[in-house]
Parts: sequence; structure tokens; C-alpha cells
Amino acid sequence: TQLLEQSPQFLSIQEGENLTVYCNSSSVFSSLQWYRQEPGEGPVLLVTVVTGGEVKKLKRLTFQFGDARKDSSLHITAAQPGDTGLYLCAGSLIQGAQKLVFGQGTRLTINP
Amino acid sequence: DAGVIQSPRHEVTEMGQEVTLRCKPISGHNSLFWYRQTMMRGLELLIYFNNNVPIDDSGMPEDRFSAKMPNASFSTLKIQPSEPRDSAVYFCASSLSRANVLTFGAGSRLTVL
Repeated sequence: TQLLEQSPQFLSIQEGENLTVYCNSSSVFSSLQWYRQEPGEGPVLLVTVVTGGEVKKLKRLTFQFGDARKDSSLHITAAQPGDTGLYLCAGSLIQGAQKLVFGQGTRLTINP
Repeated sequence: DAGVIQSPRHEVTEMGQEVTLRCKPISGHNSLFWYRQTMMRGLELLIYFNNNVPIDDSGMPEDRFSAKMPNASFSTLKIQPSEPRDSAVYFCASSLSRANVLTFGAGSRLTVL
């Protein structure tokens, strides 16, 4: 059983569409991170959220941390082929702890 | 900075052989992590070090796996003997312990036949 459940596992959409991917847990996290991983490479950090209800924007990407700090979402507006990749959420259960738990990931494909 | 450097990038070996994966963290980072990624289980933390000292090895599958960090610029993950179920991509990551921001290497893809 995964501590962090991501959905959907796979998503294939057309360029220009909007999408949201989710990261859910029954546990409370002190912080949550989103990474993007491209084939043959390691994950790259996109954002860290630490406060319940926090919203962060990175160009066309909007990240939200749930009020109860048990879930998070990533919304992409007007998706582009360059957004294609594996999106991973990762959480820290204890404040200041270095041990991160990763979700299984959402594999996103944006078709031109 | 060249980032986190891992070697080899690909390794194919036969069951029973010893495998050694290597990692050079980013200079100045004092924490180092070994992760394993498979389709079935995703990214799993195997072990991490702070200031070259192993802090948490609870993710190491069994005694066949061992990791060392003899100095701040080098770490190894050894599997002896290797088994087909060890086939995965192994990632090394480093960070500043106070920042909790991981920088991953490109990974070592291991195939055990």
C-alpha cells in the first residue's frame, strides 16, 4: 500500500488542454514536493509546499496543498508537449525530516 | 557544478554476480540518498547518510545490499549476490541537510539476468 496515492496513473491529452493530477494520503505531511522526471533522467524538483491551503504557481503550473495537509494537486493550464513526463509527489511526515515518501507518479503525455 | 554523478549508467549482469554502483554528490552537500525505482513499487528510499554517517537504512531490502560513504565526495551501493528481482534503476541524490531539496543523479539502470 502506497502512503501517497497519485491519480491518474496515466494521462494522455492534446496540446492546449488543461489537466489536474492528484496526490492523496490518509496521513498528514509537514511538507510536500512535486518533481518531474523525464526518460533516462532523475526527478527534478518543481515546488515545495509547507502550509495547509498554500497555492504556488510556476508559469502554467499551479500547485495546491490541502487544508489538512493530506493531499495536493497539480494543475496545468494549456498543456504543451514539453510538459510530457512523469510527475511525482513526495512528502515528509515529520517536520525537518529528510526522509521523503514518493507516490507512484502520473505519467503525462501531451500530444501535439 | 556537474550535478550528482552516477556510474555506471547501465549494467547488465548475471544472477549471483556482485554489482557496485557509484555516486559522487554535489560538492558541499552533506546528505546523500540512495533510491531504487521500479514500475511496480515506484521510488523507494534505500538508505541515507548525513555527514558520511548512515542515518536510516531501514529501506535496504536485505543483507545482500550494503552502502558505504567513505568520504564526502563518494558513495557506493553494493549488491552481492545479485538476483533478477534487483533489476531496477538506482538513483543517488544529494542535498544540504537543512534544505531538504534533493538533487538526483541520472540513475544507474541495472539488469540482472
